Amino acid sequence: GAGVSQTPSNKVTEKGKYVELRCDPISGHTALYWYRQSLGQGPEFLIYFQGTGAADDSGLPNDRFFAVRPEGSVSTLKIQRTERGDSAVYLCASSYTSPDTQYFGPGTRLTVL
Amino acid sequence: AQSVTQLDSHVSVSEGTPVLLRCNYSSSYSPSLFWYVQHPNKGLQLLLKYTSAATLVKGINGFEAEFKKSETSFHLTKPSAHMSDAAEYFCVVPGNTGKLIFGQGTTLQVKP
Repeated sequence: GAGVSQTPSNKVTEKGKYVELRCDPISGHTALYWYRQSLGQGPEFLIYFQGTGAADDSGLPNDRFFAVRPEGSVSTLKIQRTERGDSAVYLCASSYTSPDTQYFGPGTRLTVL
Repeated sequence: AQSVTQLDSHVSVSEGTPVLLRCNYSSSYSPSLFWYVQHPNKGLQLLLKYTSAATLVKGINGFEAEFKKSETSFHLTKPSAHMSDAAEYFCVVPGNTGKLIFGQGTTLQVKP
């Protein structure tokens, strides 16, 4: 079956702009996670959804970052007033439940100029 | 709090020789532990996981890892490296709420 998909695969934006990154989890997976991977680092947790609600948003770095999952499937990560330090690969993962094996998407590479 | 430390940022081996990627963990209880692999321009893939059923865990592609509580280690090994094993490897421990806590990663280079 289809795995986790993320769009776009690459996003280049200018400092100060607003961006949205989309994640389509594996069908039937109730748990969805967002991570951020900076160059040369391991992924860092951002936010976890169980169904439609954010069960843990402790990894969001500041209030410019926000994520939604209105119908318990697709999720969108939103970044306002982007900064150069936001440049990274944003990874999405889903699992059937939590805790359980997480399956990762290919990521969205965000570059803020 | 749970954490993992990967002791080598870069490991280079010759094809056909053994692979050892080292990981130490810190946890207030016996944790679950994972190894993930990330090939260039591909998504993270689970190699193997330890969940306390057996201390020696076998994964995909001939990799295995041994959980040693006395040493707080979970090193990844493979008897014979293949060119296709060249990738980034992450030792991972689950935190509360199921989020994953990644180590810094080890780049495995395989020379012909």
